[in-house]
Parts: sequence; C-alpha cells; structure tokens
Amino acid sequence: GQSLEQPSEVTAVEGAIVQINCTYQTSGFYGLSWYQQHDGGAPTFLSYNALDGLEETGRFSSFLSRSDSYGYLLLQELQMKDSASYFCAAERRDDKIIFGKGTRLHILP
Amino acid sequence: DTAVSQTPKYLVTQMGNDKSIKCEQNLGHDTMYWYKQDSKKFLKIMFSYNNKELIINETVPNRFSPKSPDKAHLNLHINSLELGDSAVYFCASGSRGHNEQFFGPGTRLTVL
Repeated sequence: GQSLEQPSEVTAVEGAIVQINCTYQTSGFYGLSWYQQHDGGAPTFLSYNALDGLEETGRFSSFLSRSDSYGYLLLQELQMKDSASYFCAAERRDDKIIFGKGTRLHILP
Repeated sequence: DTAVSQTPKYLVTQMGNDKSIKCEQNLGHDTMYWYKQDSKKFLKIMFSYNNKELIINETVPNRFSPKSPDKAHLNLHINSLELGDSAVYFCASGSRGHNEQFFGPGTRLTVL
C-alpha cells in the first residue's frame, strides 16, 4: 500500500535541535515535502527533496535518502512559535500526494 | 491580497442537506486540489484539477462533486451530507512540476 510513517509526538526544549523522521512506502515516488500546520491554521510549505541529500532553508533543513525510503526534517534553534504539527508528504510521478499523519511538536521553555 | 481563499470559513448544517464550498486562487497556478482533514488531523487528498481537467479522483463518495469553472476556481459540492463528512476541507493550488502547494484557510464543516 501507500503509507508514510512519522512519530505522532515529539517534545524538545527551546533553543535546542529536533529531528522529525519520516519513512515512506510509495510506488512511483518522486519527492518528499514537509509542511507545518499550527492549530486552527492551514498547512504551509517548508521544504522539498527530490534528490538524496540535505536541503537547508534558514533554521529548517530536510534530508532524503531514496535508497532507504527515509527522510527527516531538522529544526534548529527552536522557538516557541515552532510548536505545531509537521507533515511529511510523498509526491508520486502521477501527481498524487500522500500525507503522513503528522508529528505534533511540543516545545518546552 | 489573499492567495488562496475559501468560503465559507465555517459551515454548520443538518444531515441530508446539500452544500457547496468555494475556492479561488489568484496565484496563476494551473493545478488546484481539495483535501479533507479529519478530527485526528489526517490530511487526505480528494481531488485535483489541472487546467479545469480532473486529474486525481481519490476514493471519495460520489456525493462529492468538484467543479472547476476556470483555472482560478475549484468548488466542492456535497450532496446528502452525512455525520462522517464533518471535517476541515482545505483547498490548495500549485503548479505542475513545482512541489510547493499553497493552502487556503480551510472550511470547517459540521454536520448535525
């Protein structure tokens, strides 16, 4: 089947670094996206990986290993405003997009 | 100016009714989507239109019918609403070949 697995919850301390993992099982896999969603808000795009390796955008980085069907989102210098849900999403060659169930990130002061 | 807008923001209705949700994007994108997010926050794609043509139609009851009058609009009509249809519905837009999708603010549908 088509599925993405990510932890349901992660807790970290303000100022620290946290990594949210995502493993996928998707036929016709093309690339992996990450979205952030605050409570009551809409998902907003964070980053995308089509090739193996690390993509860096400010405090956020995303990594992909196609051979391991694995990716992660790395958040550095955590701020309280980073408390949100984070979704990985697999894009397929037929344009279909499958979202993971989301990881709720709790940040402690 | 809002990039992707949806109306209404909240919709409360009785079982069995028919309702519509409207979506408009002013980003010039050629592809629009409808997603359903349930109470467990699971986000699932329902439909995708590219240049007014349906390209993705996931396993969704045929009570749900999308309509795209032009590239900038994708409306969702729901017939005979059921309790299980209660969710937040998000419209999104993007360009084929570009991975980023822009989401609308969502429509919270509550079926009583």
